[in-house]
Amino acid sequence: DQQVKQNSPSLSVQEGRISILNCDYTNSMFDYFLWYKKYPAEGPTFLISISSIKDKNEDGRFTVFLNKSAKHLSLHIVPSQPGDSAVYFCAASPPGGATNKLIFGTGTLLAVQP
Amino acid sequence: DSGVTQTPKHLITATGQRVTLRCSPRSGDLSVYWYQQSLDQGLQFLIQYYNGEERAKGNILERFSAQQFPDLHSELNLSSLELGDSALYFCASSGRTSGSYNEQFFGPGTRLTVL
Repeated sequence: DQQVKQNSPSLSVQEGRISILNCDYTNSMFDYFLWYKKYPAEGPTFLISISSIKDKNEDGRFTVFLNKSAKHLSLHIVPSQPGDSAVYFCAASPPGGATNKLIFGTGTLLAVQP
Repeated sequence: DSGVTQTPKHLITATGQRVTLRCSPRSGDLSVYWYQQSLDQGLQFLIQYYNGEERAKGNILERFSAQQFPDLHSELNLSSLELGDSALYFCASSGRTSGSYNEQFFGPGTRLTVL
């Protein structure tokens, strides 16, 4: 049972344009969502997060949008840069405290073309 | 550099064998998490320890076990290895105030290959 889904395995975008990565979830009890970025041969790196009580969080070029009614979140990267090319994982945290496990999607490979 | 270290980086072994993966969390972090990433899969949560005690368990096989020591480093033991256990194993830590709820910092991973 895949509770967090990233239905696009890959995405290709031109440098300077917007990248939009999508994520769907099934459990309405998730209370926190996070995006991680992963380069080959490295561990995932935290990018940005959003609480379930908010609908938008912005950090520089990265913005995460949460649509609770649709159980959908998205990560916008503007403008996209070649260094953004990596696998992006969406993750969700079940309720119950600050040290809970994370449930990850399968990832989307973003390729930013120069 | 996340501050989380994992050893070894690569491990090649045979079916039926036993291996131990080691993780040192970021300084001051009390929670350690283990995740498994198989080919074309997302990260699957295995187990979490908090200050030496098991806190949560995921889809961890009975052949696998973990512990967290008084110095907070953790070990993941995999026994009676099968071909399907070949994967990347990540350790993450959290617990130090960072301003980001539930932010986990990941190590570089251990790539296990079972032949």
